[in-house]
Amino acid sequence: DAGVTQSPTHLIKTRGQQVTLRCSPKSGHDTVSWYQQALGQGPQFIFQYYEEEERQRGNFPDRFSGHQFPNYSSELNVNALLLGDSALYLCASSLSGTRNQPQHFGDGTRLSIL
Amino acid sequence: QQPVQSPQAVILREGEDAVINCSSSKALYSVHWYRQKHGEAPVFLMILLKGGEQKGHEKISASFNEKKQQSSLYLTASQLSYSGTYFCGTLNSGGSNYKLTFGKGTLLTVNP
Repeated sequence: DAGVTQSPTHLIKTRGQQVTLRCSPKSGHDTVSWYQQALGQGPQFIFQYYEEEERQRGNFPDRFSGHQFPNYSSELNVNALLLGDSALYLCASSLSGTRNQPQHFGDGTRLSIL
Repeated sequence: QQPVQSPQAVILREGEDAVINCSSSKALYSVHWYRQKHGEAPVFLMILLKGGEQKGHEKISASFNEKKQQSSLYLTASQLSYSGTYFCGTLNSGGSNYKLTFGKGTLLTVNP
């Protein structure tokens, strides 16, 4: 049973560039959430996608955008990268419907901005 | 509003017990507990819901005081494998709220 997979594992970019991160949810899951985790901090909610639409968004600027495809996989796009965007980006998938479903996390993409 | 976890760090010897606390200033729908080992993904442990329902790990217990908006995670007879950072995540009450807000974590170290 494949878990949540994210690509790439690591990425190095420079300020001002754009990046796309990818996520495939756990088999059977249809909801994808994205989180940013700075060193020594808890994950911070960026947004959640369900039925190919952004269902809820956290306190992140419009530079952060996403997409969900019909096969439930998802992308996170970040434009005009800043040094402060350096972090571990985690994708988590869950079952739809109620809010009491556990989220299953991928291993993350480590993004470094130079 | 980010939930507050305590303690920030705890060191145990194998076999000892620990309690990790999580409190929120908002009315909560549920509390989620995760453990993250260094360089790895967070792993789901437990969900506690309003009304007392629990879902999760057999060997770990937790409580949820709805009136005080507080939850505690109980780790008994700790094993070396319990080491890691424990995060609580909270979902606020409100039918359309899906935003899971995590605390800053509690670093648990279990020594032989």
